[in-house]
Amino acid sequence: GAGVSQSPSNKVTEKGKDVELRCDPISGHTALYWYRQSLGQGLEFLIYFQGNSAPDKSGLPSDRFSAERTGGSVSTLTIQRTQQEDSAVYLCASTSGGANTGELFFGEGSRLTVL
Amino acid sequence: AQSVSQHNHHVILSEAASLELGCNYSYGGTVNLFWYVQYPGQHLQLLLKYFSGDPLVKGIKGFEAEFIKSKFSFNLRKPSVQWSDTAEYFCAVRQGSGTYKYIFGTGTRLKVLA
Repeated sequence: GAGVSQSPSNKVTEKGKDVELRCDPISGHTALYWYRQSLGQGLEFLIYFQGNSAPDKSGLPSDRFSAERTGGSVSTLTIQRTQQEDSAVYLCASTSGGANTGELFFGEGSRLTVL
Repeated sequence: AQSVSQHNHHVILSEAASLELGCNYSYGGTVNLFWYVQYPGQHLQLLLKYFSGDPLVKGIKGFEAEFIKSKFSFNLRKPSVQWSDTAEYFCAVRQGSGTYKYIFGTGTRLKVLA
């Protein structure tokens, strides 16, 4: 597809279960970002990948959160032992990277509900 | 650490009213500035961006923003809003070098009454 694709669009899980959220960026985009959107909290930066560089993980809220990007393309965000406060919309964005690029292209998001 | 403040969380306007949404950031170096919009049920999309040059930038749908370096501000404006401008607006900042991390504000929900 032409845009950023995220799956699943909705995920309901029980507290304590692990979840995986997938992001397929725009082809050719070297930079990929994960954000968390909660009501009243705006977009909270989680992690970003730029090419082959080490990812910037400074926004991950706890060691239950991890992400990887395989082959410089698809990324998976994993949340282990989910808690109710993890309920949010998880957004993925990509861009072509580099100093002069600007526009982040966002996916539709994955809405996670932890019961 | 960088931060972005959007002081107006909810704004309600009548059609044809003028709009100004505030955005302030905390970072002393070179910055790139953005406004994104999220219409109901849609994904976030870029309204406008500032990198350098003329501090008054124009974006899509009649929006504009002014970068005032001395005030660390990048306020969004539109002279006459329409019902279709009902959306959530996010300001974002990226350092001009060294990192490509975008920091977003908490957003402003705008409701335009027809």
